Amino acid sequence: QVQLQQSGPGLVKPSQTLSLTCAISGDSVSSNSAAWNWIRQSPSRGLEWLGRTLYRSKWYNDYAVSVKSRITINPDTSKNQFSLQLNSVTPEDTAVYYCARGDIAVAGTGLDYWGQGTLVTVSS
Amino acid sequence: EIVLTQSPATLSLSPGERATLSCRASQSVGSFLAWYQQKPGQAPRLLIYDASNRATGIPARFSGSGSGTDFTLTISSVEPEDFAVYYCQQRSNWPPSITFGQGTRLEIK
Repeated sequence: QVQLQQSGPGLVKPSQTLSLTCAISGDSVSSNSAAWNWIRQSPSRGLEWLGRTLYRSKWYNDYAVSVKSRITINPDTSKNQFSLQLNSVTPEDTAVYYCARGDIAVAGTGLDYWGQGTLVTVSS
Repeated sequence: EIVLTQSPATLSLSPGERATLSCRASQSVGSFLAWYQQKPGQAPRLLIYDASNRATGIPARFSGSGSGTDFTLTISSVEPEDFAVYYCQQRSNWPPSITFGQGTRLEIK
């Protein structure tokens, strides 16, 4: 059974960097069929995909256009986890942030395992 | 960016009735479409992937159909635990991206 456990602060000041980590159990961040995603949800923007990291003989990252200049997603193979960094945050980045797995071998298009969600508030 | 439009915004039904939820894409997504259920305070739960395949553990009363730009999620007989918000989601290969619809709320009539 795959489990994703999120950690990170729930309050970030404007202009600072939002940092979250997603620890994986039951699968590997280096899986050749999985992609490891970050998604956020807010009342104003709904569910918004932010980006992903995946390993296909080498590491790839894909980012949403809306955050591409501010986002970094990194795998950590030593700890079997991946992280999200979002720079220069504003109150509009306030949302519940989720990590999620997509595995084309077992769930095709879909994201079949999700973290518990972290409410991140951007406020001074 | 591919936009997904869900209808209706809210669907009011009684337990035992049939639910039909629609998702329309702004351009063809082939069969690269998934459906999720979300209850308050919980992460979305994958119901259907690749338009018509039920995810592991999903009851048979949930079914998906469609291809191209028009997709449907059907709940054959709504159970009390099915009242929630439902989202569709598509995946594009180039440029790689994922987008979600705005959701349909299934509420008790």
